[in-house]
Amino acid sequence: EVQLLESGGGLIPPGGSLRLSCAASGFTFSSYAMSWVRQAPGKGLEWVSSIIGLSGRTDYADSVKGRFTISRDITKNTLFLQMNSPRAEDTAVYYCAKDAVSGDGVYDFDHWGQGTLVTVSS
Amino acid sequence: DVVMTQSPLSLPVTLGQPASISCRSSQSLVHSDGDTYLNWFHQRPGQSPRRLIYKVSNRDSGVPDRFSGSGSGTDFTLKISRVEAEDVGVYYCMQGIRWPPITFGQGTRVEIK
Repeated sequence: EVQLLESGGGLIPPGGSLRLSCAASGFTFSSYAMSWVRQAPGKGLEWVSSIIGLSGRTDYADSVKGRFTISRDITKNTLFLQMNSPRAEDTAVYYCAKDAVSGDGVYDFDHWGQGTLVTVSS
Repeated sequence: DVVMTQSPLSLPVTLGQPASISCRSSQSLVHSDGDTYLNWFHQRPGQSPRRLIYKVSNRDSGVPDRFSGSGSGTDFTLKISRVEAEDVGVYYCMQGIRWPPITFGQGTRVEIK
């Protein structure tokens, strides 16, 4: 059974830093693209970043490019999101999501974690 | 960027009645492999999103057959044949074929009248 468990959320002041983690199990972690998707309070879903399973290629939304870094540790089956210089508008629940098919070049999120709340405030 | 536009944004429905949600993409979602990649997700209050439909019309395991997806190219529809109480929440369409960025529709909130 695929399981994704996020952690690391909390209160962070503007300009601080925070690292989110997503522990994955139930599938070959290194083979699948993984992504972070966020949801601001009362708002819709917004893609944040993805890392492709086989190549390690990373992509970012313009809103976080240069401030956030996605990475993974395939020995620990864990996905990370390093959040630097956060802003108030980064306040959201952050979900990690697994791609459905390995290596097809299409993103399709078949499993999601329960999310972790990040609040950016002084 | 591919813009995903859903309508309506709010949908009050009567239990047992049908419901329909439209999703339009600003670019074709047809892949070079011939498949069309459009997904639908359902998010119940306080829960994570759950995929319902992939590649326009394929239901995920455990999704009731009252849910159906249809469409082609840039116009897509999610239909619920007879709405049940557990169907409330927000429905999102998503494209992951023309990225970055991966884009979602604004969401359609379904509530019981």
